[in-house]
Amino acid sequence: EIVLTQSPGTLSLSPGERATLSCRASQSVNSRYLGWYQQKPGQAPSLLIYDASSRAAGVPDRFSGSGSGTDFTLTISRLEPEDFAVYYCHHYGSSRTFGQGTKVEIK
Amino acid sequence: QVQLVQSGAEVKKPGSSVKVSCKPSGDTFNTYGISWVRQAPGQGLEYIGGIIPGFGIPDYAQTFQGRVTINADHSTSTVYMELTNVKSDDTAVYYCARGFGGPLDSWGQGTLVTVSS
Repeated sequence: EIVLTQSPGTLSLSPGERATLSCRASQSVNSRYLGWYQQKPGQAPSLLIYDASSRAAGVPDRFSGSGSGTDFTLTISRLEPEDFAVYYCHHYGSSRTFGQGTKVEIK
Repeated sequence: QVQLVQSGAEVKKPGSSVKVSCKPSGDTFNTYGISWVRQAPGQGLEYIGGIIPGFGIPDYAQTFQGRVTINADHSTSTVYMELTNVKSDDTAVYYCARGFGGPLDSWGQGTLVTVSS
């Protein structure tokens, strides 16, 4: 069973700043099976990144994903007001699981 | 735009069962898999299981093995998730999403299931 650990739990930043979110897998995973989602209060999650680094349709290019093996990163280059939300990583290979989430809050 | 329409909120007694439906729009039912994910109040996302309707063989997370059934009704193009012997900590919003073994690229609106005596 694969466990995904996200850090930090909460990230306090100001609009315009860069956000770097980490997702670490308990064992090496195929990057083809790693995604990232954004969830705002009262809404369903929304796909941002799939296959570790591919942006989903309509996702602004300030969002980027990278990584391989056990370490993956979601980067938001310049935070916009609408980017303050909770972000989850997701392994959708043979052992399907989510990380516990990182909340990006306004400082 | 793909839509997944879920059934309405449910209130259940401990020990009973709950069944939630998910009807995808367009050709999603015949072309994609459907996954189920839940979110307890104030908590993160938890994978429950999924199915590819065309193949009909479901997959369940180990946590839910023996207590969950996911099936697909081809006559109504609807996917169902049934959870038995519910407890208070099964209180959550249950989501269906398009995708199985792949990214979840469209989500239903969520169904609140409340378990209370």
